Amino acid sequence: DTAVSQTPKYLVTQMGNDKSIKCEQNLGHDTMYWYKQDSKKFLKIMFSYNNKELIINETVPNRFSPKSPDKAHLNLHINSLELGDSAVYFCASSQGTVNQPQHFGDGTRLSIL
Amino acid sequence: GQNIDQPTEMTATEGAIVQINCTYQTSGFNGLFWYQQHAGEAPTFLSYNVLDGLEEKGRFSSFLSRSKGYSYLLLKELQMKDSASYLCAVPYSGGYNKLIFGAGTRLAVHP
Repeated sequence: DTAVSQTPKYLVTQMGNDKSIKCEQNLGHDTMYWYKQDSKKFLKIMFSYNNKELIINETVPNRFSPKSPDKAHLNLHINSLELGDSAVYFCASSQGTVNQPQHFGDGTRLSIL
Repeated sequence: GQNIDQPTEMTATEGAIVQINCTYQTSGFNGLFWYQQHAGEAPTFLSYNVLDGLEEKGRFSSFLSRSKGYSYLLLKELQMKDSASYLCAVPYSGGYNKLIFGAGTRLAVHP
């Protein structure tokens, strides 16, 4: 199936740990994004890559580090997890960077104990 | 800066019509998106308006008035499966397809 797929779907871990979330899209898009959706359901952009280059870097703690090995993949590594990091993280992709619809993955539900 | 306002919650009856409003303030307008998000699922793209007027897509239509900074999503012949959050979003005026989302409107459809 053509889609944006994220792994894992659920992530439960303890404060202070380091974890990674992976994202892959097979839609042939050249732009990928990471969003955070908190408990109030606000969806906020964190990062975006276009053809493996970082183009959006919001005010996010530097414990969060995205990596794009190629334009079909965008991973998110989080160091020293904190309670406030508990949220749903969505990966998305689009073709181009000008007013294009974004296609979202199913989300990774991160819970910090 | 950019700001988006939507009602927090709405309820409607199966088979009815509902209009979900969105007002926005942006320094440079590059269109407006509507997304649907069912509980626990990914947002899915519904519509994109960049010109004034109504665009119809089956049971869903989206309207834009750029002079008023206003849009609405019109859902006709409501079905139970339309119970979801509806997110209004505008691209950041600085470009790069950075979307600024509203808080979303939770629609509950009752029999």
